[in-house]
Amino acid sequence: AQSVTQPDIHITVSEGASLELRCNYSYGATPYLFWYVQSPGQGLQLLLKYFSGDTLVQGIKGFEAEFKRSQSSFNLRKPSVHWSDAAEYFCAVGNQAGTALIFGKGTTLSVSS
Amino acid sequence: DAGVIQSPRHEVTEMGQEVTLRCKPISGHDYLFWYRQTMMRGLELLIYFNNNVPIDDSGMPEDRFSAKMPNASFSTLKIQPSEPRDSAVYFCASSQGAGGANVLTFGAGSRLTVL
Repeated sequence: AQSVTQPDIHITVSEGASLELRCNYSYGATPYLFWYVQSPGQGLQLLLKYFSGDTLVQGIKGFEAEFKRSQSSFNLRKPSVHWSDAAEYFCAVGNQAGTALIFGKGTTLSVSS
Repeated sequence: DAGVIQSPRHEVTEMGQEVTLRCKPISGHDYLFWYRQTMMRGLELLIYFNNNVPIDDSGMPEDRFSAKMPNASFSTLKIQPSEPRDSAVYFCASSQGAGGANVLTFGAGSRLTVL
């Protein structure tokens, strides 16, 4: 069965510190991978996506993610976190066949000053 | 484009009442998705449409839930009768091309509270 696991429910980092949010997936076919961000009271916004090619992808707001097929992972990183990055982050998996995205349960990021 | 528009943003109703949530997708998008978000279950896909035709409704919890897409610019999600366990944020999203390979654009959500 297809699934996405985000092991960390809540993470707190200091402003200016680096960030890594974990995402593991279980998928029978070649996955398309996404990270979305949700600010309080808002819908989800795409941060970045991976379809093929370079396994390190850059996104908006200074985020990047690395696809590691051997580990079935697609972790999100940012070298220096800003207070405005506090939000909930969702990893999602899809494919080219047209089925809908499957989302992880999300990781809530808090930023301390 | 104004993005995906959902209404109402907030709905408080009593158990047993009918609830209708509305969605206007982005013009030109041919896929429309309804998701439900709760603390316990996260984001769950309820149903999705392609060119106004329901493709997969296996996520619809039970017969109390129904969704329609009468035209390319409008979709509804109806709950009748509503129950307290239906309390959640309901998101509509649309995409151009297959949802798995293309970017979803989400609406701001409809927060439903059933008392």
